[in-house]
Formats: sequence, C-alpha cells, structure tokens
Amino acid sequence: DTVMTQSPDSLAVSLGERATINCKSSQSVLYSSNNKNALSWYQQKPGQPPKLLIYWASTRESGVPDRFSGSGSGTDFTLTISSLQAEDVAIYYCHQYYTTPWTFGQGTKVEIK
Amino acid sequence: QVQLVESGGGVVQPGRSLRLSCAASGFIFTTYGMHWVRQSPGKGLEWVAVIWYDGSEKYYADSVKGRFTISRDDSKSTLYLQMNSLRVEDTAIYYCARGGSETHGICSLWGQGTLVTVSS
Repeated sequence: DTVMTQSPDSLAVSLGERATINCKSSQSVLYSSNNKNALSWYQQKPGQPPKLLIYWASTRESGVPDRFSGSGSGTDFTLTISSLQAEDVAIYYCHQYYTTPWTFGQGTKVEIK
Repeated sequence: QVQLVESGGGVVQPGRSLRLSCAASGFIFTTYGMHWVRQSPGKGLEWVAVIWYDGSEKYYADSVKGRFTISRDDSKSTLYLQMNSLRVEDTAIYYCARGGSETHGICSLWGQGTLVTVSS
C-alpha cells in the first residue's frame, strides 16, 4: 500500500501568516499518461465531514479561497495557506488516488498562535 | 439541493452484520463513482471502498476486503455498504462521498456520516 506521511503533525500560525503542510508518499503518484499527480487535500473542521480543497495536486476545487494552494510532484507535496484566517483552524489531510487502496495521510492540525 | 444522507448506523455485536445506506439527491447519481470513508473516534480518515459510476469496478481497503461489499441502486440514487463479520476496530463514523467529474479518485461531496459502534 502507498503510505502517506504528513509533516508536521500540528502547527500554530499567527493570523495573516503563512501555513505550510508537507505530504510525502511512499511511491510516486504521477500518472505518466496525463502528467498529473493523483494527490488531493481535504480540510476537516471539528464536528464536520471533510471538504475537498485541492485535487491533481494543484487544482483548487470550485469555491475554495485562493489563499489555499497546492504544489509538488512525484512523491513530495505541499499545501500552503498564504494568509491564515480564523476559519482555517482545522485538520488537513492529503490523499493519494494513484493506486488502490487509496490512502490518506495521518492529518495535520492547524491552530492559531 | 445537492446532498448525501447516510443511514443505518448503530450498535452491533462483534461478528454481526450491518448495512449502511447513502441517499443522494440534487445531482445525476449515475454519472459519479461513489466512496465510503470512515473515521474512528478521534482518529484520521480511512478510505474504505469505491464503486465506479456504472458499477463495473469495485475496490476495497485491505482491512475490509472479503467482509464489506459496496453496491449501488441507481433507480433509487442510493449507495450501500454491507458490512459482515464486524470487528471492534470497525467502530467509526462512516461517510459516503461522491467522486469527481474528472476522476473517481477524489471525494468532491461528503455526507454528514453515520456512526457504527461494534461492541459486546
């Protein structure tokens, strides 16, 4: 199975500052057929189901604020929140859909400093 | 209104069975793959199973393979998860999720979840 490892497990960032979450996969998730990375990011706020933020590693889902961006290729990926807002407090998960069984990272908790 | 509503959760003894349902509305069900994803209390997300938009392909997590079966009834716009031989470690909130329009792999819409508790 493809193991997804996120770092850090938690981080505290001041309002308006940048938050960066890393995700590393145990194997490449790059499709050679379309040159796209099968990597998505989800946000989960307390008591709520997850919400899709980013797919194909860098494509923002409709309605997601542009302060959220995804980057990376192959095995190393990053989710960046350019200017942290209070409503961004949540747990963030990366997810690979390159090969079944599809797998999630362990999650990164983002808090306000 | 575009939504997914899960039902069928509850408390069940180890070794018993349970069937979860997920009613879809507000979108064309037959054009999307569908997933089940679970979350144990206080833990992270675990992908459980997916079924292609036409039911032609089904895939499972290793932890449930051979015990759980995903299916769909397009006439009712409903997704199912038949769970047999339940174990204590299957205790979780079970979410159904809709795949994406470009790829089955993403979960573009989620239900609120239904709690399954396996306990003697």
